[in-house]
Amino acid sequence: AAGVIQSPRHLIKEKRETATLKCYPIPRHDTVYWYQQGPGQDPQFLISFYEKMQSDKGSIPDRFSAQQFSDYHSELNMSSLELGDSALYFCASSLRSKGRGSFEAFFGQGTRLTVV
Amino acid sequence: QQQVKQSPQSLIVQKGGISIINCAYENTAFDYFPWYQQFPGKGPALLIAIRPDVSEKKEGRFTISFNKSAKQFSLHIMDSQPGDSATYFCAASTASGSRLTFGEGTQLTVNP
Repeated sequence: AAGVIQSPRHLIKEKRETATLKCYPIPRHDTVYWYQQGPGQDPQFLISFYEKMQSDKGSIPDRFSAQQFSDYHSELNMSSLELGDSALYFCASSLRSKGRGSFEAFFGQGTRLTVV
Repeated sequence: QQQVKQSPQSLIVQKGGISIINCAYENTAFDYFPWYQQFPGKGPALLIAIRPDVSEKKEGRFTISFNKSAKQFSLHIMDSQPGDSATYFCAASTASGSRLTFGEGTQLTVNP
């Protein structure tokens, strides 16, 4: 079965640079979530989109922005990168409109961002 | 403030033993409680989940027990295997499509 695809898998950037992370949800899933996971930490919710509209916002810095496109893929744009942004970034998707099963969120393999 | 509290932080079990991980929550609006398994450098993988209308759910070697009045739920892994060695996260959410709030994670090691 198709899973959530994230690219790139690894990314190294310098401080103050910009990074763009991409996420391709499971086909027919209508909701995309972004999470940030620091070393030894639990995933922290950043932002989500339902049917291409922002549906919820968590602890996402103002330097970050995200959007979901007409083909349902999503991009997380990160500017003015700081050392503390180094983390694993996960995208997850779910089918919200399905009913009881729509709570299930499936995660991608993540993008490891290292800021040097 | 951690909305979902998980314990223990780490757990060592012998092969064939039972692994038990506990979680507690405060927000009574939570109505979906999944468990995720995560291997190093990989994404969290959904293991099993429960809604508050049942007290127990079993899938293979994995069982969730849910106590609504105590606002606690736990994961039991029967016949634990070395391949089960991973970090386990409990989580909670309030409604369809809403964000997941995770516990701090439990690093499980199953010794051969």
